Amino acid sequence: EDQVTQSPEALRLQEGESSSLNCSYTVSGLRGLFWYRQDPGKGPEFLFTLYSAGEEKEKERLKATLTKKESFLHITAPKPEDSATYLCAVLSGTYKYIFGTGTRLKVLA
Amino acid sequence: GAGVSQSPSNKVTEKGKDVELRCDPISGHTALYWYRQSLGQGLEFLIYFQGNSAPDKSGLPSDRFSAERTGGSVSTLTIQRTQQEDSAVYLCASSQGTPEAFFGQGTRLTVV
Repeated sequence: EDQVTQSPEALRLQEGESSSLNCSYTVSGLRGLFWYRQDPGKGPEFLFTLYSAGEEKEKERLKATLTKKESFLHITAPKPEDSATYLCAVLSGTYKYIFGTGTRLKVLA
Repeated sequence: GAGVSQSPSNKVTEKGKDVELRCDPISGHTALYWYRQSLGQGLEFLIYFQGNSAPDKSGLPSDRFSAERTGGSVSTLTIQRTQQEDSAVYLCASSQGTPEAFFGQGTRLTVV
């Protein structure tokens, strides 16, 4: 069964304190791994798609990496505005997304 | 429109009543999804529409749930005889030609 597990469930960082979020996945034939950001009361906002092991994508203070079993979202020198829930998902089959339960990130000023 | 639009943003209904939730996808997007997000849970797949093909309804939790998509654009999710366990945020997403799906802001449904 295709599955996505994210850790930690919650993370508190001081402003400027870099860290990583983990997404472990099990899927029959990876067709894409996706990272989304979700702010309270809003829908998920697309961040990155990764397709193959070794691939990396960057956007501002965020960098996503992918191995054959997991993906990491590295946050470098975070700011309070980076506080959000970060969701990871994989494509199961050709169109169905399987989501993890997310990591709630709080960055303190 | 510029993004996926859902209405209403919030809906409070009494147990046993029917509700309709609306989704306007991004213009030109042929794929449309409904997901449900309950407190502390991951997003749960409900239904998928692609063009004129038969929808994948495999995620609908009971026969009280139904959805339609008219003219390949707007979609309505209907929940009949609502129950308290139906309380959740209902999210709609659309995509076109690429794997990335773009979500609306969601409808928060509260059944009292």
